[in-house]
Amino acid sequence: NAGVMQNPRHLVRRRGQEARLRCSPMKGHSHVYWYRQLPEEGLKFMVYLQKENIIDESGMPKERFSAEFPKEGPSILRIQQVVRGDSAAYFCASSPFQADGPSTDTQYFGPGTRLTVL
Amino acid sequence: AQTVTQSQPEMSVQEAETVTLSCTYDTSESDYYLFWYKQPPSRQMILVIRQEAYKQQNATENRFSVNFQKAAKSFSLKISDSQLGDAAMYFCAYRRANDYKLSFGAGTTVTVRA
Repeated sequence: NAGVMQNPRHLVRRRGQEARLRCSPMKGHSHVYWYRQLPEEGLKFMVYLQKENIIDESGMPKERFSAEFPKEGPSILRIQQVVRGDSAAYFCASSPFQADGPSTDTQYFGPGTRLTVL
Repeated sequence: AQTVTQSQPEMSVQEAETVTLSCTYDTSESDYYLFWYKQPPSRQMILVIRQEAYKQQNATENRFSVNFQKAAKSFSLKISDSQLGDAAMYFCAYRRANDYKLSFGAGTTVTVRA
């Protein structure tokens, strides 16, 4: 059973460009979470998605950031017009489907995408 | 908001010895979960151990064990018989029982001396 997959592992962008980060959850998992890790800090929650639904985006910056989890394909975290402060490691986690509301099961993390903005 | 504090930025341990990492948290909830995650140089986040707050028994996973002190809001991780592969950043994390957001501490870097 493959784990959570993220690509690319490393992404370099110049200021003003767009960054697209992809996450494929573990097989059988339908909940996806994105976290951001700034240098020397712990991970910070950004957004929680189920298939075709954003459940909670309270941790995501209001501008330039968006996330989706389409019916088919991976979850995408998109950052438009990147700035140097966006440089960080972005982690995706997934958890199994839970019928009675948001998933409270253990989250399994992918290897992260390290974004560097020049 | 819940806060998780790891007061030790770095810890060093001799191979085969024991090291204990501290973690304290602040919450008004009575039902919650606590986790220790390991982040080796590959940066993959690996779940090491999980503790349910309603369980008094401390969780154990092979050489990893916790000391959960609910009243003191303390959740330390003990690594016994340390191995070179244990070298990593270790993060303590908290989650309310009916929630999905994990709150992480700033991490403790563990180095293992051969």
